[in-house]
Amino acid sequence: NAGVTQTPKFQVLKTGQSMTLQCAQDMNHEYMSWYRQDPGMGLRLIHYSVGAGITDQGEVPNGYNVSRSTTEDFPLRLLSAAPSQTSVYFCASRGTGGADTQYFGPGTRLTVL
Amino acid sequence: AQSVTQPDIHITVSEGASLELRCNYSYGATPYLFWYVQSPGQGLQLLLKYFSGDTLVQGIKGFEAEFKRSQSSFNLRKPSVHWSDAAEYFCAVAPFFKYIFGTGTRLKVLA
Repeated sequence: NAGVTQTPKFQVLKTGQSMTLQCAQDMNHEYMSWYRQDPGMGLRLIHYSVGAGITDQGEVPNGYNVSRSTTEDFPLRLLSAAPSQTSVYFCASRGTGGADTQYFGPGTRLTVL
Repeated sequence: AQSVTQPDIHITVSEGASLELRCNYSYGATPYLFWYVQSPGQGLQLLLKYFSGDTLVQGIKGFEAEFKRSQSSFNLRKPSVHWSDAAEYFCAVAPFFKYIFGTGTRLKVLA
């Protein structure tokens, strides 16, 4: 049971480039989320999904797209990277029970030059 | 609006000393409350959570937290800190699964 996995661990982009951050979970969780972590700001919700085919925006969605074609995978796409998107990105998943724990992946450290 | 405040950005304690990390929240109903720990370069690990019932919650690694509705607080405590507890600690409130995190408290432990 690998839990929540993220690839890559590190990435450097140039302004204007696009890329996809991968996230997968093997716990059959319906709920998945993407957060970004910036110094002094904690974690902020970017997008989330309540099941395959259903996604919605979080607190800071601009510049990011998501899709959820399977229960296991929840990729995050940066359409045209900007320096303001330099951050550490965490994917998380949890079950549908009210008391279920949210599990976090190890993170992807992204630098946009 | 829902929010979480962790008033202490940095805390330094000596190994073996007691620890209390503060967390205050703003939420309209009875919240789900969490404490996570993040070691350098790592993801977040759940220490403990409160949903209902007993207001004193026991977690992993010897941590506990007390929910005080009247003070809108959920402070994290540990009676004796170990050097391995040095990390960043995040309090979160969950309107269901859309977690709202505090800005974190970085703990330094002196030998």
